[in-house]
Amino acid sequence: AQSVTQPDIHITVSEGASLELRCNYSYGATPYLFWYVQSPGQGLQLLLKYFSGDTLVQGIKGFEAEFKRSQSSFNLRKPSVHWSDAAEYFCAVLNSGYALNFGKGTSLLVTP
Amino acid sequence: KAGVTQTPRYLIKTRGQQVTLSCSPISGHRSVSWYQQTPGQGLQFLFEYFSETQRNKGNFPGRFSGRQFSNSRSEMNVSTLELGDSALYLCASSLATSIRTSKYEQYFGPGTRLTVT
Repeated sequence: AQSVTQPDIHITVSEGASLELRCNYSYGATPYLFWYVQSPGQGLQLLLKYFSGDTLVQGIKGFEAEFKRSQSSFNLRKPSVHWSDAAEYFCAVLNSGYALNFGKGTSLLVTP
Repeated sequence: KAGVTQTPRYLIKTRGQQVTLSCSPISGHRSVSWYQQTPGQGLQFLFEYFSETQRNKGNFPGRFSGRQFSNSRSEMNVSTLELGDSALYLCASSLATSIRTSKYEQYFGPGTRLTVT
């Protein structure tokens, strides 16, 4: 089964600064990749997904992600972070058995 | 359209007891998946149901079971609870019947927080 790795456990950015969260996927066929966000005490909200085609995908809340096969990466970006973006972010890959395999998550802290 | 709903939201049980959690998918969604989220293990796949059939099961002991009803609502059951079963249990539903489609997405409910004492 394919897997993903999120190298950063915690990231702190200033409000208004740009953001990039890293996600690396294991080698294999073209992966189906997702980014989810989880606020404290809440479920997961889908930000964006990649199946094929254009390597730059746009999502909700101003997020985008770029699929780079050469680097086995699917990094999430946002040009200007808002305090409300503070949350836990999860990268996930869809396996053949309809199972999402999640990374360990990156906790984002936004400072004034 | 209402989202995925899970009941109850919070639950406290004692070791050795059993528990049943419920999930109602988004209207029209026929696939329901369950995940366990713990601080140590993160998010782990439990099982997935489609049209009352379990299509896939994660690496969990037989104490964890589930089922899906004809209206697509799903329940999961944990028997002989252990302290390590304390977790947030998340349910997700999907419209697409096959993952071989760009429309495939899983929508998550708010979860049921289970505490085992």
